[in-house]
Amino acid sequence: ETGVTQSPTHLIKTRGQQVTLRCSSQSGHNTVSWYQQALGQGPQFIFQYYREEENGRGNFPPRFSGLQFPNYSSELNVNALELDDSALYLCASSSDRVGEQYFGPGTRLTVT
Amino acid sequence: EDQVTQSPEALRLQEGESSSLNCSYTVSGLRGLFWYRQDPGKGPEFLFTLYSAGEEKEKERLKATLTKKESFLHITAPKPEDSATYLCAVRTGGATNKLIFGTGTLLAVQP
Repeated sequence: ETGVTQSPTHLIKTRGQQVTLRCSSQSGHNTVSWYQQALGQGPQFIFQYYREEENGRGNFPPRFSGLQFPNYSSELNVNALELDDSALYLCASSSDRVGEQYFGPGTRLTVT
Repeated sequence: EDQVTQSPEALRLQEGESSSLNCSYTVSGLRGLFWYRQDPGKGPEFLFTLYSAGEEKEKERLKATLTKKESFLHITAPKPEDSATYLCAVRTGGATNKLIFGTGTLLAVQP
């Protein structure tokens, strides 16, 4: 059984640029959630995708957007990057909208 | 507002010295309390889910318990490899899987 994978592992971007992060869900899982984790903090919920549709969103501005594909993999897109967007971005998959979530290793984004 | 508070922020134990981590929560309707372990620079690793007061779950040296206001993660005879940040999270219902996390307890077990 393949776990949740994310790419890239690390990324450095300049303020104002755009970034795309990718996530492959665990085998058999149809729901993907994205979280942002600042240093020393707990993860914060960005949004969830279930069967290719957004199914819940946290307190993040519209420049944070996402997609889910027919194979249940997902992308997180962030436009107009700000310095405060520097964080570990975590993807978690679950077998349904309310199942236990299993996290990937994360993508470390640094905005300079 | 739904809130999760973990204590202590950091805990240093000697190998074999048992202790407990606390997670207190204020939520409008609990639909599950989750414990995760997180190593530096890695994603959280799922440990336990608890759904109702009085429920207990065990895994190796870890035991999680739940009351109506808080959860405890008991660590019995810890080893250095148990060193990590332990995160508590709650799900409050609805049709989403949104988890609200605490800030974690950083555990260091010294040999």
